[in-house]
Amino acid sequence: QVQLQESGPGLVKPSETLSLTCAVSGYSISSGYYWGWIRQPPGKGLEWIGSIYHSGSTYYNPSLKSRVTISVDTSKNQFSLKLSSVTAADTAVYYCARQLTTVTNYYFDYWGQGTLVTVSS
Amino acid sequence: SSELTQDPAVSVALGQTVRITCQGDSLRSYYASWYQQKPGQAPVLVIYGKNNRPSGIPDRFSGSSSGNTASLTITGAQAEDEADYYCNSRDSSGNHFVVFGGGTKLTVL
Repeated sequence: QVQLQESGPGLVKPSETLSLTCAVSGYSISSGYYWGWIRQPPGKGLEWIGSIYHSGSTYYNPSLKSRVTISVDTSKNQFSLKLSSVTAADTAVYYCARQLTTVTNYYFDYWGQGTLVTVSS
Repeated sequence: SSELTQDPAVSVALGQTVRITCQGDSLRSYYASWYQQKPGQAPVLVIYGKNNRPSGIPDRFSGSSSGNTASLTITGAQAEDEADYYCNSRDSSGNHFVVFGGGTKLTVL
């Protein structure tokens, strides 16, 4: 069974960098698939942040691209998110998930439990 | 980029059938996938591809598509189906972007 677990600070100060890690178990990242980050502000909908392939290729939401970096560490079987220059608008539950891609369909089949990150001084 | 539009809220009587829709230009080329999210929990994939259910998802959940509209149908809605439902698709720009709909709150009466 594939499992994902997010970890990182729950509180980040404005203008600083949010850093989260997603540890994957039950599946080797180096075996394939894309791995994604999705966030959900309190009381709002889901927003795709970006995804990374096991080889390191990345795709970012254009609205966040200038502030986002996603990286992968296959030796630790984990991938990470960095979001710079955060503001209160970045307060959200952050999820990591495994992304399946086909010619006609992109979807997320396994999700982490999510971690709340609050941006506040 | 692309946008996916969902009705904010839908209600259904217990045991009846309900259809939740998702509209967007990308759906003319790509399938929608559907997720169920209950309060305080992570989303759960319920439909992907043309009309595929992951293991463990009841067969009362089904998916369909026509033109720029994808639909999630729950046949014989149960109390435990009350949740938020989100659609997602690949962006139509060809840049491997992912888009989500705004979500539909389903109330089972």
